[in-house]
Amino acid sequence: EIVMTQSPATLSVSPGGRVTLSCRASQSVSSNLAWYQQKPGQAPRLLLYGASTRATGIPARFSGSGSGTEFTLTISSLQSEDFAVYYCQQYNDWPPLTFGGGTKVEIK
Amino acid sequence: QVQLQESGPGVVKPSETLSLTCTVSGGPLTSYYWSWIRQPPGKRLEWIGYIYYRGSTNYNPPLKSRVTMSVDTSKKEFSLRLSSVTAADTAVYYCARGAAEAPLYFDHWGQGSLVTVSS
Repeated sequence: EIVMTQSPATLSVSPGGRVTLSCRASQSVSSNLAWYQQKPGQAPRLLLYGASTRATGIPARFSGSGSGTEFTLTISSLQSEDFAVYYCQQYNDWPPLTFGGGTKVEIK
Repeated sequence: QVQLQESGPGVVKPSETLSLTCTVSGGPLTSYYWSWIRQPPGKRLEWIGYIYYRGSTNYNPPLKSRVTMSVDTSKKEFSLRLSSVTAADTAVYYCARGAAEAPLYFDHWGQGSLVTVSS
């Protein structure tokens, strides 16, 4: 099973700031990585797939990069609605599909 | 706008079977893969498995012996059964649609259904 590790666990950022979240895979997942945003009491929302392709309706301030075992999600200018938990998910080697433990982005 | 809605009991007794149904509206059930994913309190998301609209399935190996998924295309529903539940199965259960480009990430999710295993 591929283990996905996200860091940091929590990030405190001021609105308007730039945020970089990290996701590491225990073995290569090529570019078969998705990112999700989850707000309290809500279902996850797909942000990116293929490591860097934005899903439908996702603003351009969200971008992704990486391949193999190291990935990043960048939010270029944090808006109030972006404070949430972010998860990565690999879909290269399965079953099972696996998720990271999440990074919480909170208001500084 | 595709919408998914989970339904089922909120409490299940230990050793019994958890049953949930997901109803799809605003879009087709056919041609897609449909997954169940759960999130225990304070823990990461865990993929349970998927069912294709034609009925083929693939389950997470640790859960495989206890999981059964089914689909009813006429009702635009798919279902999850998890047998012999314990407190470790307490979680929010989500149904989700695999994306058309690749069915292994999820572009639409239900709101989630909290299932508590308790006597």
